[in-house]
Amino acid sequence: KNEVEQSPQNLTAQEGEFITINCSYSVGISALHWLQQHPGGGIVSLFMLSSGKKKHGRLIATINIQEKHSSLHITASHPRDSAVYICADASNRDDKIIFGKGTRLHILP
Amino acid sequence: NAGVMQNPRHLVRRRGQEARLRCSPMKGHSHVYWYRQLPEEGLKFMVYLQKENIIDESGMPKERFSAEFPKEGPSILRIQQVVRGDSAAYFCASSPSLPAEAFFGQGTRLTVV
Repeated sequence: KNEVEQSPQNLTAQEGEFITINCSYSVGISALHWLQQHPGGGIVSLFMLSSGKKKHGRLIATINIQEKHSSLHITASHPRDSAVYICADASNRDDKIIFGKGTRLHILP
Repeated sequence: NAGVMQNPRHLVRRRGQEARLRCSPMKGHSHVYWYRQLPEEGLKFMVYLQKENIIDESGMPKERFSAEFPKEGPSILRIQQVVRGDSAAYFCASSPSLPAEAFFGQGTRLTVV
């Protein structure tokens, strides 16, 4: 069974700072998800990637298959980015998505 | 193309009552997953269904919980005789297959009083 670990668990930063959230996993994967969960809200899929790098607006996700590691970056962070960010192994192993515990991000104005 | 629709968004039940949570997957998606998020905890897999079939229910509590995904209509997660510990957010997700992007609903927040 894959173990998905995220760091840090909590992150507070000032508006405008560059944010990095890390995700590591123990078993090779074919697909990794980054999800965003707003307080009291639903879950939005940000990226699904299997190699390299993806960019959407101020969000960048990278994955290093050899090192079993992925990062989510937020450039020019804004208070509206405050949310829980979750990475997940969506490799279809046993037909389950395996989630990390999430990183709680708080951006101060 | 509407997203994954869950209803109700908030559900309050007294101990001992039944809770029914509904999930309509995205159009064209035949795979539905239910997840539970306890307060201050991560998402935990409960059950994976395809139309009229339960594929994997290894995350479901053995008693009081059941799920279905009929040929017509939404997927239903049913909790009988609810207890305080059932209070949580229940999310469903759908996908056309795995690995593929899974789309999540807004969740149903169940509060047992």
